[in-house]
Amino acid sequence: DAGITQSPRHKVTETGTPVTLRCHQTENHRYMYWYRQDPGHGLRLIHYSYGVKDTDKGEVSDGYSVSRSKTEDFLLTLESATSSQTSVYFCAISPSSYEQYFGPGTRLTVT
Amino acid sequence: DQQVKQNSPSLSVQEGRISILNCDYTNSMFDYFLWYKKYPAEGPTFLISISSIKDKNEDGRFTVFLNKSAKHLSLHIVPSQPGDSAVYFCAAEVTGTASKLTFGTGTRLQVTL
Repeated sequence: DAGITQSPRHKVTETGTPVTLRCHQTENHRYMYWYRQDPGHGLRLIHYSYGVKDTDKGEVSDGYSVSRSKTEDFLLTLESATSSQTSVYFCAISPSSYEQYFGPGTRLTVT
Repeated sequence: DQQVKQNSPSLSVQEGRISILNCDYTNSMFDYFLWYKKYPAEGPTFLISISSIKDKNEDGRFTVFLNKSAKHLSLHIVPSQPGDSAVYFCAAEVTGTASKLTFGTGTRLQVTL
């Protein structure tokens, strides 16, 4: 297993509350990514990071922000959660271009 | 606009037979293609990949074929085993762009006894 952990693994929250998901890696890989998986959509890129403090938007970034203050941690924040953000969130890491390695996922339910 | 398409949501194959999973793409800039396998409640696992300079890549029971002119790739699993039952995602990227993967919607493979 690539050394990737995600926390929490499950979370239920109410509409309008802030939520932060954490991705932690022990591989010292440069690139980190956040995806969401929804039925009928596969996995879609939310944000990614190409180094400490270097981040950029993906395909579905509206309503999300990220931060990377250390190589090993990549945080995804929903400033004010909405029901449309109910999803399974996956973090991935990569040393360069080509393959990415995924974490176990976080199931988020917004009620 | 779905740039990577997996038109078969599900596939059922008998154990020992060949499984063929298909994927089409529209973006001619894609130059690297990957297949991931996903079990329920787990993250996707990298399976096999192919560069656009090749038309075939083989790894044990898994072979990926790329037809650039048709913008089509396929994953062959021979022989299929019950443990292969999972959702398979095709993904594509333009290399040199921080490996931003574009995924298909997945095909659920069931290998029956």
